[in-house]
Amino acid sequence: QSVLTQPPSASGAPGQRVTISCSGSSSNIGSDTVNWYQQVPGTAPKLLIFKNNQRPSGVPDRFSGSKSGTSASLAISGLQSEDEAEYHCAAWDDSLNGYVFGTGTQVTVL
Amino acid sequence: QLQLQESAPGLVKPSETLSLNCTVSGGSLRSSYYWAWIRQPPGKGLEWIGSIYSSGTTYYNPSLKSRVTIFEDTSKNHFSLKLSSVTAADTAVYFCATLSMPQFWGQGTVVTVSS
Repeated sequence: QSVLTQPPSASGAPGQRVTISCSGSSSNIGSDTVNWYQQVPGTAPKLLIFKNNQRPSGVPDRFSGSKSGTSASLAISGLQSEDEAEYHCAAWDDSLNGYVFGTGTQVTVL
Repeated sequence: QLQLQESAPGLVKPSETLSLNCTVSGGSLRSSYYWAWIRQPPGKGLEWIGSIYSSGTTYYNPSLKSRVTIFEDTSKNHFSLKLSSVTAADTAVYFCATLSMPQFWGQGTVVTVSS
C-alpha cells in the first residue's frame, strides 16, 4: 500500500533528459526529506539520492533530485542505456510513524 | 564496508510463522545504524516492514504491526524478523538494510507462502 505516487513509466532516447515525479502529503514529503532508489531487476535497490538532492559517493552527477512542498522529482540527464531500471522514491511518514515508498517508475531507454 | 546477508527459509506454509535473520559483517550491530526489513511482492513496489534502532526501539508498518516482531541478537551480530499467520499475500523478496547513512542492503531472499 504505497503512500507516495509515481508515474508507472517514463522513457527517453539516449542523451535525453527524463524527469520522474513523486507526490506525497504533509505528513511525509511535506515534513521530511526524500530519498530515491534505483533498482535493476533481480537486485537490491541502490540509494541514488538522499536528503532530497544529495548524491552518495559514486553516483554520477547526471542524477539530480529536488523537492517542493509535498512533491519531489528525480531528473536523469544525458540518459544512458544502463539507466534502464525501476526508480523508487521514499520518505519517513510522521502519521504512520514509518518509512514509505513510492509506487515505482520503470524507466526505458528507447 | 558493511555487508548484510539474509537467511533463506524459502518456503513457508500458510498460517505458519516466517522467520528471517540478517547477519551483519564488517561492523557491529551496536553501531548507530538504523536497521530495517523491507519486502517486494512479485511485480510490485517496495514495502517497509519495520525497523529497529541501535537503542532497541522498534517501529512497525501499521498494516503489519499485529503480526510482526523485529529483534536483535548482538552475540550473533544479527537482527531478525518474525511474521506470523502468513498468507499467500506475504510471498515476496525480503531485504534487510540500514536506512541511516551510509545505506547498505542485503541481496534479498525469496520467500514463498504455499502449502
